[in-house]
Amino acid sequence: DIQMTQSPSSLSASVGDRVTITCRASQSISSHLNWYQQKPGKAPKLLIYGASSLQSGVPSRFSGSGSGPDFTLTISSLQPEDFATYSCQQTFTTPWTFGQGTRVEVK
Amino acid sequence: QVQLQQWGAGLLKPSETLSLSCAVYGGSLSDYYWSWIRQPPGKGLEWIEEINHSGSTNFNPSLKSRVTVSVDTSKNQFSLKLTSVTAADTAVYYCARRGRSKTIIGDYYYHYMDVWGKGITVTVSS
Repeated sequence: DIQMTQSPSSLSASVGDRVTITCRASQSISSHLNWYQQKPGKAPKLLIYGASSLQSGVPSRFSGSGSGPDFTLTISSLQPEDFATYSCQQTFTTPWTFGQGTRVEVK
Repeated sequence: QVQLQQWGAGLLKPSETLSLSCAVYGGSLSDYYWSWIRQPPGKGLEWIEEINHSGSTNFNPSLKSRVTVSVDTSKNQFSLKLTSVTAADTAVYYCARRGRSKTIIGDYYYHYMDVWGKGITVTVSS
């Protein structure tokens, strides 16, 4: 199985901050990398697919980059509704696997 | 807009069988794969298995010996059974649609979970 490792596991930030979360795959996955946002008690919500494509309806302050094993999710200016947990997922090969999640908390 | 509605038993005893179903509203089962994904308390997401409208599946080897997924096209729904549950199977279970988009070059697809059910909390306890 392809292991997905996110860093950091949690971070504290303030509204307006630029936030960067990284995800590393245990092998090359080309650009088959997705990012999800999850709030407590809710299902995950797709933000980014194909490493850098913004899902319809997702604000443009979210962006993704990277390929191969290393990827980044960036929130350009953190908004109050962005405090949540973010997870990466590889869909290069089954079993599809997720990172352990990065919790973005209020500083 | 496609929506997924899940249901099933939320409290099980060890060794029992978990049984969940997910109905698709506002769309058809055709042309997509439909997944089951779970999330143990305080942990990350784990993909279990997926099925399409014709019954073809992709599975997670770590769970395959205990998992059966099925599809009922007449009811536009799909189901999950997990046998011999233990406390380690305690989790929120989600159903989800695997969407896809062609790459810019157009020679292959990106895949992603774009529609999710609300999740059901399943607790295994004696």
